[in-house]
Amino acid sequence: NAGVTQTPKFQVLKTGQSMTLQCAQDMNHEYMSWYRQDPGMGLRLIHYSVGAGITDQGEVPNGYNVSRSTTEDFPLRLLSAAPSQTSVYFCASSYSGKLITDTQYFGPGTRLTVL
Amino acid sequence: GNSVTQMEGPVTLSEEAFLTINCTYTATGYPSLFWYVQYPGEGLQLLLKATKADDKGSNKGFEATYRKETTSFHLEKGSVQVSDSAVYFCALSTVIYNQGGKLIFGQGTELSVKP
Repeated sequence: NAGVTQTPKFQVLKTGQSMTLQCAQDMNHEYMSWYRQDPGMGLRLIHYSVGAGITDQGEVPNGYNVSRSTTEDFPLRLLSAAPSQTSVYFCASSYSGKLITDTQYFGPGTRLTVL
Repeated sequence: GNSVTQMEGPVTLSEEAFLTINCTYTATGYPSLFWYVQYPGEGLQLLLKATKADDKGSNKGFEATYRKETTSFHLEKGSVQVSDSAVYFCALSTVIYNQGGKLIFGQGTELSVKP
């Protein structure tokens, strides 16, 4: 049972490039989400999904796309990278996003630098 | 709106000292409250949680009590160890209509424990 996995661990992009951050979980969780972590700002929600085929925007969605074709995978796409997207990105999952008591399980993170 | 405020860090303590990290929140309804911990180079993991007023969450010697009257969820440990050095995040989860529960994080408090 690997939990939540993320690839790559590190990535450097040039302004304007696109890329996809991968996230997968093997716990059969319905709810998955992406956060970005910036110094002094905690974690902020980018996008989330309450099940396969269903996604919605979080607090800071601009510049990012997501899709959820399977229960296991929830990739995050940067369409045209900007220096303001330099951050550490975390994927998380929980059994059901409908329960506010649910624990969220986090991946190890992807550290992205945009030059 | 919903928000979480934590005491600013970094907090530096000697081994075996008493730890308090303050956390207060603003929320509509009846949120669940969480403390997550992030060890260096890793993702976040749940430390403890409380799902209703007056509940006490506890784990690994840490504890926090859900105080609705003061809207607080302060983290305490009687005797810290070097291995407790990490960043601690307070978070709340509250239902948003038709969107399930989402985590809202404080900015994080870095703890450094010296031998």
